[in-house]
Amino acid sequence: RKEVEQDPGPFNVPEGATVAFNCTYSNSASQSFFWYRQDCRKEPKLLMSVYSSGNEDGRFTAQLNRASQYISLLIRDSKLSDSATYLCVVDNYGQNFVFGPGTRLSVLP
Amino acid sequence: SQTIHQWPATLVQPVGSPLSLECTVEGTSNPNLYWYRQAAGRGLQLLFYSVGIGQISSEVPQNLSASRPQDRQFILSSKKLLLSDSGFYLCAWSPRGGYGYTFGSGTRLTVV
Repeated sequence: RKEVEQDPGPFNVPEGATVAFNCTYSNSASQSFFWYRQDCRKEPKLLMSVYSSGNEDGRFTAQLNRASQYISLLIRDSKLSDSATYLCVVDNYGQNFVFGPGTRLSVLP
Repeated sequence: SQTIHQWPATLVQPVGSPLSLECTVEGTSNPNLYWYRQAAGRGLQLLFYSVGIGQISSEVPQNLSASRPQDRQFILSSKKLLLSDSGFYLCAWSPRGGYGYTFGSGTRLTVV
């Protein structure tokens, strides 16, 4: 089983739609969780951390379920500028971080 | 504020030639430093990470090597490039005791 798995995508959604991405991780000892965004041919950039109680940043909501080892990202009212690849990131025994393969989102006009 | 610099942005090298990519971090001390590679259409693969000067951990055996000659300098090298070394190379740092990565802008390497 891969350490971090994500929905394969791509997701093609119209502007204004709500879209959810799922991520599962295998290391039950992981403590830190993030969502990163990567635009085409650019470096990944931190979108948001994921806290145990769930957290929201504008149109973005992240959820963590430790029992199921599952992380989600919800994007409401999608914008064209949200088109990117979304990477789920999990720490690996606190030494480094493991990146999921990413889910590509295309928001269509 | 902290910044990370990575160069060059683009590189085309013949098979068998050497490689040296450099990454420096400013505005912080004793950072954790990382080299990742992303092949076309693929996920990020951790190559090396360092928690201090001269301390390098290798995640994937290959013809690449890394060095950390100074606290905020991380170098990725190869003596002889292979076609399979083509990819997008990303340097990143994280604060000691903290979490979250900040990436450099990357080097797109094409081996021909």
